[in-house]
Amino acid sequence: NAGVTQTPKFQVLKTGQSMTLQCAQDMNHEYMSWYRQDPGMGLRLIHYSVGAGITDQGEVPNGYNVSRSTTEDFPLRLLSAAPSQTSVYFCASSPLSGMSNQPQHFGDGTRLSIL
Amino acid sequence: GENVEQHPSTLSVQEGDSAVIKCTYSDSASNYFPWYKQELGKRPQLIIDIRSNVGEKKDQRIAVTLNKTAKHFSLHITETQPEDSAVYFCAASKGYSSASKIIFGSGTRLSIRP
Repeated sequence: NAGVTQTPKFQVLKTGQSMTLQCAQDMNHEYMSWYRQDPGMGLRLIHYSVGAGITDQGEVPNGYNVSRSTTEDFPLRLLSAAPSQTSVYFCASSPLSGMSNQPQHFGDGTRLSIL
Repeated sequence: GENVEQHPSTLSVQEGDSAVIKCTYSDSASNYFPWYKQELGKRPQLIIDIRSNVGEKKDQRIAVTLNKTAKHFSLHITETQPEDSAVYFCAASKGYSSASKIIFGSGTRLSIRP
């Protein structure tokens, strides 16, 4: 049972380049989300999804796109990378049950640097 | 939308003493409040959570209290040990389906002095 798998672990990009951060979970969780973590600012929600075919914006969605074609995968796309997107990115997943969220399982993170 | 504020941003306590971290939330409909611990270079991991139908939950040296009227919740760590040194995050969400986004506080860096 791999849990939440993020690839790559590290990436350096030049301003204006595009790339996709991959996230996959094997726990059949409905809820998946992407956070960015910057010093002193905690974990800020970028986008989230409550199931295949459903996505929604979080606190800081600008500059990022997501899609959820399957339950397992939730890729995050940077269309034109900017230095302000230098950060550590975490993907997380959790089941949805009843009227309340459940604990999230986090991936190991992707450290992204934009030059 | 939901906003979660966390205090203090840094906390240093003597080994064996207690540590308290406080969070406030803005959306009175929030019903799930987890706490995560993140060690340096690692992923956040859940340490305890509480739902809006209870006021307190305890797990060994860790406890969380919830005051729905005041919209704040707190993490209490007793008999602190060196391995408690980490960054702690609170979070809040209001549950089901499209309203289920989980918003985090800005974190507290806890240091345990030997």
